[in-house]
Amino acid sequence: AQSVSQHNHHVILSEAASLELGCNYSYGGTVNLFWYVQYPGQHLQLLLKYFSGDPLVKGIKGFEAEFIKSKFSFNLRKPSVQWSDTAEYFCAVNEGGAGSYQLTFGKGTKLSVIP
Amino acid sequence: NAGVMQNPRHLVRRRGQEARLRCSPMKGHSHVYWYRQLPEEGLKFMVYLQKENIIDESGMPKERFSAEFPKEGPSILRIQQVVRGDSAAYFCASSPPGSPLAKNIQYFGAGTRLSVL
Repeated sequence: AQSVSQHNHHVILSEAASLELGCNYSYGGTVNLFWYVQYPGQHLQLLLKYFSGDPLVKGIKGFEAEFIKSKFSFNLRKPSVQWSDTAEYFCAVNEGGAGSYQLTFGKGTKLSVIP
Repeated sequence: NAGVMQNPRHLVRRRGQEARLRCSPMKGHSHVYWYRQLPEEGLKFMVYLQKENIIDESGMPKERFSAEFPKEGPSILRIQQVVRGDSAAYFCASSPPGSPLAKNIQYFGAGTRLSVL
C-alpha cells in the first residue's frame, strides 16, 4: 500500500523567510502528486499538481514543487512566505494514469507565519 | 460557482446515536468521494460514488457506515451507533464527469468535524 510522509508537523517562520516542506511517498510505480492547502475554517484547496513532464511544477500563490523520482520526493517551496500563508499543507499521491481517484494523504504540516 | 458544500461543519453526538453528514458537490460534478481524517493522521479514502451508484467502498468500515448519492439531493454519509473512535474530520470531494483524467483532480469541502461524547 502507498504511504506518504510529511517530515514536519509544525513549522514556524517569520514573514519573508523561505519555505520548504518535505514530502516522500512509498509507491514505486507511476504516480500523480498533489499539494493541498487548508486555510483556517476553509476547504482544502489544490495548490499544485504533477502528472508528467517538467518535474518542477508551479502552483498558485507563488508556490512550486519539485518531483525527484529517484528520491520519491515532492517537496513544496516558496521563496518568501507571507502571514496569509498560515495554513495546513497536505501532500497527496495517487497511482498514475487516467482514472486513478484514491488519494493517499500525508498527515499534514501546519505552517505558522509570524508577522 | 459554489464549491463543495458540507454540512454541518461541526456535529456532536453521544455514543449510540446516528450521525448524518451531507455533501453537495460542485455544480456539474457527478463523482463524489468521502475521506476521513482521524486525529494526528492524514485523510484516508472511504468511498467513491456516482449518482445512485457506489463505485468503490473499499475504505469504508464494514459495519455501521453507509453512503449514498441519490439522483436528487446531496450525498449522505451515515454512521449508525457512533462510538468514540468515530470522532474525526470527514471530508467530501467531487470531480466532474467526462474523461478519466478528470477523476484525478478532486475539489474538497471544508469538512465536518464529528465529536462523539
